[in-house]
Amino acid sequence: GAGVSQSPSNKVTEKGKDVELRCDPISGHTALYWYRQRLGQGLEFLIYFQGNSAPDKSGLPSDRFSAERTGESVSTLTIQRTQQEDSAVYLCASSLAGEVSSNEQYFGPGTRLTVT
Amino acid sequence: LAKTTQPISMDSYEGQEVNITCSHNNIATNDYITWYQQFPSQGPRFIIQGYKTKVTNEVASLFIPADRKSSTLSLPRVSLSDTAVYYCLVGDTGFQKLVFGTGTRLLVSP
Repeated sequence: GAGVSQSPSNKVTEKGKDVELRCDPISGHTALYWYRQRLGQGLEFLIYFQGNSAPDKSGLPSDRFSAERTGESVSTLTIQRTQQEDSAVYLCASSLAGEVSSNEQYFGPGTRLTVT
Repeated sequence: LAKTTQPISMDSYEGQEVNITCSHNNIATNDYITWYQQFPSQGPRFIIQGYKTKVTNEVASLFIPADRKSSTLSLPRVSLSDTAVYYCLVGDTGFQKLVFGTGTRLLVSP
């Protein structure tokens, strides 16, 4: 079946612009995760959705970041007023329902964001 | 905040067994421990998950001591294609968050 898809695959934007990153999870996966990976660095957890609800948004780096999920399906990560420090690969993953740490996550290919 | 630490890098040769340890002192009672493999320019891929003692699948084993403050990923008879970065993942105590380890870059040589 289809895996996790993300769009766009690459995004170049000017500092100060807003960007929207999209994630389409595997059908039937009720849990969805967003991560950030800076060049040559590890994975940084941003937010987790169980259904359409995010129990804890404190992992988002600043109030310029927001995320939503609708229909227990597609999710959008929005970054407002982008800064050069936001340049990174943004990875989305999905999994079956369960505790936040208890399920195998399937990752998408990521969106590479470059802020100039 | 939970903190997970791993060795930065490891070197091995084809056919050897590799053990990578992750320290997660603040793991919560109900948290699982999961290991992922990541190749350059790709998303991580699930390797194995466990809660306690030992888990084995077709590609790896996971050893978790009784106190669960660490875990060891064991890769039997590595090949060149196992060259990758390996991450452990645990939940953040008391929060609905996850924390990836610092990652271990494994280089397998002929």
